Amino acid sequence: AQRVTQPEKLLSVFKGAPVELKCNYSYSGSPELFWYVQYSRQRLQLLLRHISRESIKGFTADLNKGETSFHLKKPFAQEEDSAMYYCALSGGYQKVTFGTGTKLQVIP
Amino acid sequence: NAGVTQTPKFQVLKTGQSMTLQCAQDMNHNSMYWYRQDPGMGLRLIYYSASEGTTDKGEVPNGYNVSRLNKREFSLRLESAAPSQTSVYFCATTGSSYNSPLHFGNGTRLTVT
Repeated sequence: AQRVTQPEKLLSVFKGAPVELKCNYSYSGSPELFWYVQYSRQRLQLLLRHISRESIKGFTADLNKGETSFHLKKPFAQEEDSAMYYCALSGGYQKVTFGTGTKLQVIP
Repeated sequence: NAGVTQTPKFQVLKTGQSMTLQCAQDMNHNSMYWYRQDPGMGLRLIYYSASEGTTDKGEVPNGYNVSRLNKREFSLRLESAAPSQTSVYFCATTGSSYNSPLHFGNGTRLTVT
């Protein structure tokens, strides 16, 4: 079975402070991991994916297979980062499982 | 290109009524998905279709049926709606590679009274 855990429902940080959104996963094979973002009144969209090793809007995420984690980080939070963030895992047979999401609130 | 289109955007049903949520994509993707989004529970997979002609249950399939009509269309049917099915429903698609990202529709907000 594949599972994604996001322990924080809400994360509040001040503008300019570092951000870390936690994601842990459970999967017996080699997973592909993603972060999706949902801004207010918009559809979910891809933020970044493990395989690309990219930085999008200042966010990065590193896959740690030993800790089975894929935490999302940004050194300096901006007000426009306020949104709902979902970690997702793509396992076998094209099945994609999401975590419960973390609402990021950036306080001006 | 419209991407992923869901209809309707809003729907109110009475308990016991039936309805079908429609999803169509023009991205030539093989895989299609139905998720429901509930506060505090994130996105939960209802059903998915890895390719035309196949469908599989996700985490919360009870009370739903699906049809993969062709490569473009994947519908979700509620035969006898219940208040517990009040939710926002999202359709999504992805390419063949397991590291391809999902592309979402705008969602259908369903209320069952």
